[in-house]
Amino acid sequence: AQSVTQLGSHVSVSEGALVLLRCNYSSSVPPYLFWYVQYPNQGLQLLLKYTSAATLVKGINGFEAEFKKSETSFHLTKPSAHMSDAAEYFCAVSLYNQGGKLIFGQGTELSVKP
Amino acid sequence: EPEVTQTPSHQVTQMGQEVILRCVPISNHLYFYWYRQILGQKVEFLVSFYNNEISEKSEIFDDQFSVERPDGSNFTLKIRSTKLEDSAMYFCASKGTDSRTDTQYFGPGTRLTVL
Repeated sequence: AQSVTQLGSHVSVSEGALVLLRCNYSSSVPPYLFWYVQYPNQGLQLLLKYTSAATLVKGINGFEAEFKKSETSFHLTKPSAHMSDAAEYFCAVSLYNQGGKLIFGQGTELSVKP
Repeated sequence: EPEVTQTPSHQVTQMGQEVILRCVPISNHLYFYWYRQILGQKVEFLVSFYNNEISEKSEIFDDQFSVERPDGSNFTLKIRSTKLEDSAMYFCASKGTDSRTDTQYFGPGTRLTVL
């Protein structure tokens, strides 16, 4: 069965520092991978997605992620953190041979210190 | 920009009562989903709906749950007899024509509190 593991339930960085949020997946078939962000009291907003095209995916707000099949990873990065990036980030997987349901990781809360 | 809307934003109910959570998906979308997030836990898939029928459901989605698209615009989740453990944030999502790659757009959620 497919699953998603996010390493680190809470990550804290200084403003201007690199953001790295880790996501590993388990899937027996080629997956589609997503990163969503959830700001307090809001729904989930798509940051970026990988759907078997380019392995380096660029998303909104300066975020990007690289699909590495050999490492079964899809880590999210941003070169320079901004205070407004503080939120909960969810990695999710969906399989092409299913109805598109998303399987989410546990989430990583990102804090940005001034 | 089109968005998914959900009502109410917060629902408080007594254990054993029926609740209906409402969602208005994006108008030209064909695939609809409900997820829930218990406080402090991951977002969990409940059910997917396509072509006026359930296409997949999770183990959580037992006989107490049902979904309906009564009028071609609303998409509802009904819990017949709520339990304490049903307390969670419930998210509706919708997706366009490509079942594999299209993005799921999420609503802001309904926080259900069962007392």
